[in-house]
Amino acid sequence: QLQLQESGPGLVKPSETLSLTCTVSGGSISSTSSFWGWIRQPPGKGLEWIGSMFYSGDTYYNPSLKSRVTLSVDMSKNQFSLKLTSVTAADTATYYCARLGRWLPFDHWGQGTLVIVSS
Amino acid sequence: EIVMTQSPATLSLSPGERVTLSCRASQGISSSLAWYQQKPGQAPRLLIYGASTRATGVPARFSGSGAGTEFTLTISSLQSEDFAVYYCQQYHNWPPRTFGPGTKLEI
Repeated sequence: QLQLQESGPGLVKPSETLSLTCTVSGGSISSTSSFWGWIRQPPGKGLEWIGSMFYSGDTYYNPSLKSRVTLSVDMSKNQFSLKLTSVTAADTATYYCARLGRWLPFDHWGQGTLVIVSS
Repeated sequence: EIVMTQSPATLSLSPGERVTLSCRASQGISSSLAWYQQKPGQAPRLLIYGASTRATGVPARFSGSGAGTEFTLTISSLQSEDFAVYYCQQYHNWPPRTFGPGTKLEI
């Protein structure tokens, strides 16, 4: 059974870089039918898609975050990662990693990790 | 960008009732519409994709319909575990993948 697990610091200072990793188990990150993505949810608010990528390195970003986001993959560890630069309090959210298909929705989700941006 | 809207924002209902949630896309998205259920402290769970196909393990009391710009999610008889927030999301034209603001079902 496919499982995803986010990891990374729970506290990041303003202006610094938020870095999270998603470890995939029960399946290969190099599956040709899978894309991998990040979604975030500020406390008490709705869901916002951050970006998605294919194992080959093709990446797709939300235009509202594109200038600050980088997604990458480490096939040797079956992991993919998110970097968000120049964070502010507005980036405080629970960050989820998920699997999706190119023309399919997010069908497997990690449990989420809360990241607080504060000095 | 395709904007998704949902109505109503909150619904107060009782177990056993039938409920229909609405989702609208700002432009046609064919049937590329998913519904998710989110309970407090949990990740969203995929319920419906392709506007009307139930995901694995989703009870038959959940059904989806619609195409183009208008979609609905119906729960035929509310169970206590169904009280949650429901989000619709389009994946027809991306990036970006966009979610609706959610509808909260409360007892």
